[in-house]
Amino acid sequence: SAVISQKPSRDICQRGTSLTIQCQVDSQVTMMFWYRQQPGQSLTLIATANQGSEATYESGFVIDKFPISRPNLTFSTLTVSNMSPEDSSIYLCSVRPGSYEQYFGPGTRLTVT
Amino acid sequence: GESVGLHLPTLSVQEGDNSIINCAYSNSASDYFIWYKQESGKGPQFIIDIRSNMDKRQGQRVTVLLNKTVKHLSLQIAATQPGDSAVYFCAEGGSYIPTFGRGTSLIVHP
Repeated sequence: SAVISQKPSRDICQRGTSLTIQCQVDSQVTMMFWYRQQPGQSLTLIATANQGSEATYESGFVIDKFPISRPNLTFSTLTVSNMSPEDSSIYLCSVRPGSYEQYFGPGTRLTVT
Repeated sequence: GESVGLHLPTLSVQEGDNSIINCAYSNSASDYFIWYKQESGKGPQFIIDIRSNMDKRQGQRVTVLLNKTVKHLSLQIAATQPGDSAVYFCAEGGSYIPTFGRGTSLIVHP
């Protein structure tokens, strides 16, 4: 298993600003993912962030809007840039330590005003 | 395209009853399925998984059934407790990045 922490747990931000979310894992993992979960909705994959390579973004998500860093095997950041109210959501970090099981962090609840 | 969907958005049960949450999938090549539980304000928590070479798998108070013929899986929770109240997601995984269904909200009444 893996224990994941995220910072901040929640934030309220002004339109046009940027927020960087941190994800820390208690063990070294290669595969890390960032998801978005809008209120009352399911999880949508933003990007896959494997250490040692550029992040791979899903359709509808671009690096300029959601830049990701993955400096080592236990840490990653996701930045939500130039925020608008439509970016209000829960952002979740997730890892896959093995072949199948996937674990999630507690999420960062973002509100953009 | 692939899709993973849930039949009912909300399920209300009485404490002590058994709960059954259903999920349909469309990719017949899927070889691995996972159930997650998400409590309010928390991230999804792994509950149980099943590989496509199995029809049934049991955990503590939970059982997952897989019917590959009709591409359907279910999560059964025995003796449902108030602490089971949460949103439950099925996900299609395996070598792919999991695709999550919409979620079913389980409400347990004392």
